[in-house]
Amino acid sequence: EAQVTQNPRYLITVTGKKLTVTCSQNMNHEYMSWYRQDPGLGLRQIYYSMNVEVTDKGDVPEGYKVSRKEKRNFPLILESPSPNQTSLYFCASSFRGLAGGQTQYFGPGTRLLVL
Amino acid sequence: LAKTTQPISMDSYEGQEVNITCSHNNIATNDYITWYQQFPSQGPRFIIQGYKTKVTNEVASLFIPADRKSSTLSLPRVSLSDTAVYYCLAQTEAGTALIFGKGTTLSVSS
Repeated sequence: EAQVTQNPRYLITVTGKKLTVTCSQNMNHEYMSWYRQDPGLGLRQIYYSMNVEVTDKGDVPEGYKVSRKEKRNFPLILESPSPNQTSLYFCASSFRGLAGGQTQYFGPGTRLLVL
Repeated sequence: LAKTTQPISMDSYEGQEVNITCSHNNIATNDYITWYQQFPSQGPRFIIQGYKTKVTNEVASLFIPADRKSSTLSLPRVSLSDTAVYYCLAQTEAGTALIFGKGTTLSVSS
């Protein structure tokens, strides 16, 4: 089954304790990205990657790191989490659709609480 | 990147046609218009995408006028299960940085 998986789905941690949220896709998509979603703010892009070893900042990259060593994986790293990073995180991957533009597939989300 | 503007919320009744308009005055020549649907605590789901004129699939239609400064998502005969947030995006073919905005919350009542 074609899908984007994220782990963990739920995470409670404390300020300053490094964590990694994994994202994997089995569709051989070149493009992957991370979003965070907060009440009243909609979805905001954190980082994206056009291909292996190619990453770039989105709208809200501060406090996050990513890496793209393999095509299928795109982990999100919080080196020193803070309470303002408490959020719902989504990973997405995409291909170029029939219309010519990108069509994104989203993962199930990771709900993070930083105390 | 072209910014999009949508109504914050809309209400409808089952069986009605719903049209959600999105404004994108600064859309670039190579930008596509894409709409996503999101249910609470789930990731957004692709609905439809187009470049100009009209596109139709099994769930929706997308109308884009010649000047491409706006677009309209049309949902025929909505049901309660269509209650969700709908996002309009203007994205380049390469699909680089994407701005989702706050979306339109559609509430369908019986």
